[in-house]
Amino acid sequence: NAGVMQNPRHLVRRRGQEARLRCSPMKGHSHVYWYRQLPEEGLKFMVYLQKENIIDESGMPKERFSAEFPKEGPSILRIQQVVRGDSAAYFCASSPRDSHSGANVLTFGAGSRLTVL
Amino acid sequence: AQSVTQPDIHITVSEGASLELRCNYSYGATPYLFWYVQSPGQGLQLLLKYFSGDTLVQGIKGFEAEFKRSQSSFNLRKPSVHWSDAAEYFCAVGANRLNGNKLVFGAGTILRVKS
Repeated sequence: NAGVMQNPRHLVRRRGQEARLRCSPMKGHSHVYWYRQLPEEGLKFMVYLQKENIIDESGMPKERFSAEFPKEGPSILRIQQVVRGDSAAYFCASSPRDSHSGANVLTFGAGSRLTVL
Repeated sequence: AQSVTQPDIHITVSEGASLELRCNYSYGATPYLFWYVQSPGQGLQLLLKYFSGDTLVQGIKGFEAEFKRSQSSFNLRKPSVHWSDAAEYFCAVGANRLNGNKLVFGAGTILRVKS
């Protein structure tokens, strides 16, 4: 079991460029969460997705950020026109079932570290 | 809304000494509580979790945590720290919600171990 796979591990972008971060959940997991960790802060929830469906995007900035989890392929977190304040570690987590059946344990990937020059 | 407070930003302990990392949460019902550890440049690894039942939970690597409802706390303990325990530790609270089980994290406590 390969775990939650994120790529790239490190990404450098200049201001105004686009950043695309990818996340493949654990095998058998159909729920994906994205978190952002700013320097010297804890993780902040951004978005929760199931296949082809955004369930909760209450933590997503209103502009420039979007996320998708298509029927086939990894989940993508897209940041358009990046600014220096977007520099952070972006973590993806996955879980095997929905919350109706109880608390789920999230399995985290190793993160993608975005640096905006 | 849920919130988590980890009062100690940094803690330094000697190798072999005992450890307690503090965590206080705010939530209106019985929460689901977690401790994760993050080594430098790595993702988060689950140490232990509390859902219900026995308030003293055992985790991996010799860690344990105790849920105290009256104090809204979920402190992490280890009787004897090893140098490899140096890392950042995050407490998190989750809720059984209809629309997801997202976690709210504390700001973390960085543990340094001196020999």
